[in-house]
Amino acid sequence: EIVLTQSPATVSLSPGERATLSCRASQSVSSKLAWYQQKPGQAPRLLIYDASNRATGIPARFSGSGSGTDFTLTISSLEPDDFAVYYCQQRTNWLWTFGQGTKVEFK
Amino acid sequence: EVQLVESGGVVVQPGGSLRLSCAASGFSFRDYTMYWVRQTPEKRLEWVSLISWGGSSTYYADSVKGRFTISRDNDKNSLFLQMNSLRADDTAVYYCATDSTRQFWPPSGYFHHWGLGTLVTVSS
Repeated sequence: EIVLTQSPATVSLSPGERATLSCRASQSVSSKLAWYQQKPGQAPRLLIYDASNRATGIPARFSGSGSGTDFTLTISSLEPDDFAVYYCQQRTNWLWTFGQGTKVEFK
Repeated sequence: EVQLVESGGVVVQPGGSLRLSCAASGFSFRDYTMYWVRQTPEKRLEWVSLISWGGSSTYYADSVKGRFTISRDNDKNSLFLQMNSLRADDTAVYYCATDSTRQFWPPSGYFHHWGLGTLVTVSS
């Protein structure tokens, strides 16, 4: 099973600042990686798929990069609505795994 | 508008059984691979199972293989998860979700639309 490790566990930032979230895979997943946002009491929402493609309706301030084992989600300028938990997810060999999440909180 | 509404979550004793349902609307349900994903009380997300749009192919996480069965009724726009031999570590919110591609195999493996979830608690 491929293990996804996200860092940091929590990041404290202010609106307007840039957020950089990391996801590292225990072995290569090529570009088969997605990012999700989850707010309290809500289901996760797909933000990025195939490492760098924004899902429908996702603002341009969200971007993804990376391939192989190292991936990054960048939020260029945090809006108040962006404070949430972010998860990465991969699928290989008919097994799906998620990272443990990074919480983006108000500084 | 895509809607997925899960139901069936209750408190059940260890070793018990439960059947979850997911009612779909607002899209062509029969054209999409569907998933069950769960979120533990510690907020860890875990993929549980997948079923192809026609229902002929199914996959399971090792942790539920042999105990859970996924199925669907395309005429009733419904997805199901039969859960047997339940254990305490099956306690979670269970979500149904769509794949992001239509009539595509293998599926994308990304969870596009999600329901609000239904809580399953396994406890004596």
